Amino acid sequence: QKEVEQNSGPLSVPEGAIASLNCTYSDRGSQSFFWYRQYSGKSPELIMFIYSNGDKEDGRFTAQLNKASQYVSLLIRDSQPSDSATYLCAVIGGYSTLTFGKGTMLLVSP
Amino acid sequence: DVKVTQSSRYLVKRTGEKVFLECVQDMDHENMFWYRQDPGLGLRLIYFSYDVKMKEKGDIPEGYSVSREKKERFSLILESASTNQTSMYLCASKTGTGFGYTFGSGTRLTVV
Repeated sequence: QKEVEQNSGPLSVPEGAIASLNCTYSDRGSQSFFWYRQYSGKSPELIMFIYSNGDKEDGRFTAQLNKASQYVSLLIRDSQPSDSATYLCAVIGGYSTLTFGKGTMLLVSP
Repeated sequence: DVKVTQSSRYLVKRTGEKVFLECVQDMDHENMFWYRQDPGLGLRLIYFSYDVKMKEKGDIPEGYSVSREKKERFSLILESASTNQTSMYLCASKTGTGFGYTFGSGTRLTVV
């Protein structure tokens, strides 16, 4: 069974700083990786996906994938208080099922 | 935008009741999923469906069943509700070729 590990946090950063969220996965054959953001009381929303080694940038967000180390990360530049949420890492498996990590809570202080 | 609608935001049911959670998507997606989310345990896959009348067990199917008679609707059934099924239930859908899921707003079920 695929496993996805995340530090539960909370990760606290000041406004304007870079937040770095990390995720490791157990299945070396995993191909595609996703980052979801979940605000308290809301459902998860997709913010990034990555399937190639290296970096993928979208606005203030950068996803990084290192398949050799089985490691995925999400960097949030110029963090804002509105970025305070739980960030879920997920790995795709058979039949497009997603296995999620338990999430890392990010707190951005003004 | 794809819309995934879960019929109830909050439900309170009694132990032993048969409970139906409904999920409807409006974009002709092939794949639909039911997850439950609990503090400290994260999102766990209960059942999924990749086509009409097709269903597969996820990681925690015990005590649940599903129905997908039409492509747009995927129902989760708690055959005999128990207190350990108190949870947030999330439905999601995706196209066969697309990336990522679209989630519904969730149903918070309390079994008393």
